[in-house]
Amino acid sequence: NAGVMQNPRHLVRRRGQEARLRCSPMKGHSHVYWYRQLPEEGLKFMVYLQKENIIDESGMPKERFSAEFPKEGPSILRIQQVVRGDSAAYFCASSPSRGLPRLSGANVLTFGAGSRLTVL
Amino acid sequence: TQLLEQSPQFLSIQEGENLTVYCNSSSVFSSLQWYRQEPGEGPVLLVTVVTGGEVKKLKRLTFQFGDARKDSSLHITAAQPGDTGLYLCAGGAGGTSYGKLTFGQGTILTVHP
Repeated sequence: NAGVMQNPRHLVRRRGQEARLRCSPMKGHSHVYWYRQLPEEGLKFMVYLQKENIIDESGMPKERFSAEFPKEGPSILRIQQVVRGDSAAYFCASSPSRGLPRLSGANVLTFGAGSRLTVL
Repeated sequence: TQLLEQSPQFLSIQEGENLTVYCNSSSVFSSLQWYRQEPGEGPVLLVTVVTGGEVKKLKRLTFQFGDARKDSSLHITAAQPGDTGLYLCAGGAGGTSYGKLTFGQGTILTVHP
């Protein structure tokens, strides 16, 4: 049972190029979350998607960043015209459902190993 | 905006010592999770606490959720070198966005043999 798969694991881009990061959720999971971890900082929520829908993009920068989760295929985080400040580790997490039953305490959120973007 | 303050940021101790990591906020969270992250990997969940005052134990690790659900602590007894890593707390707002978490800055723990 494969976990959350992210690729590429490492990506190097020059300023102005585009970066595409892919995330295949765990089998049976239809909810995907993207987080960014900047050097020396904690993880920051970026966007929450379900199949073909963006549910919450409150953490996404207003420009150059976009995300999708098509009916078929992985979720993609796209960064256009990358700048050095975009260098970070980008993590995807998936869950099978939308909300956590309050008293269950069960973990339903699984993180991938991340994609590390370096902008030269 | 919900914030989680995690302390200490760095902790360097000898094998066999006890330690406590704190996670504090002025906001109420529906749930509080603790993760451990190894270099080059994603966070791995250790525990989820959802009830104010809840205490959970995982071998030598004890997790507590504050009565008001604004703070949490992680206590490790008799630390071992294998406990070395980055520990993260994360608060969930609950409702329909379970996976939208607010993370603390993390505590880098080093346990020396």
